[in-house]
Amino acid sequence: LAKTTQPISMDSYEGQEVNITCSHNNIATNDYITWYQQFPSQGPRFIIQGYKTKVTNEVASLFIPADRKSSTLSLPRVSLSDTAVYYCLVGDSSRAGTALIFGKGTTLSVSS
Amino acid sequence: GAVVSQHPSWVICKSGTSVKIECRSLDFQATTMFWYRQFPKQSLMLMATSNEGSKATYEQGVEKDKFLINHASLTLSTLTVTSAHPEDSSFYICSVGTGPPGEKLFFGSGTQLSVL
Repeated sequence: LAKTTQPISMDSYEGQEVNITCSHNNIATNDYITWYQQFPSQGPRFIIQGYKTKVTNEVASLFIPADRKSSTLSLPRVSLSDTAVYYCLVGDSSRAGTALIFGKGTTLSVSS
Repeated sequence: GAVVSQHPSWVICKSGTSVKIECRSLDFQATTMFWYRQFPKQSLMLMATSNEGSKATYEQGVEKDKFLINHASLTLSTLTVTSAHPEDSSFYICSVGTGPPGEKLFFGSGTQLSVL
């Protein structure tokens, strides 16, 4: 399984755009990139998933360069409620039953 | 996405007793479920992969006789912590995979276990 590296923590203010970059140098051909958000004492929540280029949904965008060795989660106009831990995961999602291994994650703190 | 219900949300038990945690996939038939544990200020650690109708696959270092996993139906997996000790106190989380392509995991709300 590809290992991921993320910044341990980031600080931001309300209304700013936050970009969290994750490096996964040994990503495999079948691997997808998935981001999760976790609040204290809750299970992680799926944010976004991509394979290459750019993916956008109602809460975030995911940018993946052509070599796929890194990815960037972009959160537009963050609010206090976006304070959480964000995990970047890489795994083979081409077959069922592939568990995802969590790295250390990035703790995002949003202030007013 | 899949809706995953985990019960109980928290449990306190005495050392030496056993505790059962249930994980239900409410709107999705899950042939595979995953169990994680998380200590304070740490990341999630995969404990085992629960396979419907067969034995679970445990990660290295996880005692299969201590953490009993049963996945008897496509919607229910249970984790039983047997002869619990204070060091077993942790946050236990189950998840359901939606299957390929681009499998996504959806997580339960977690169970906080405190062993006295």
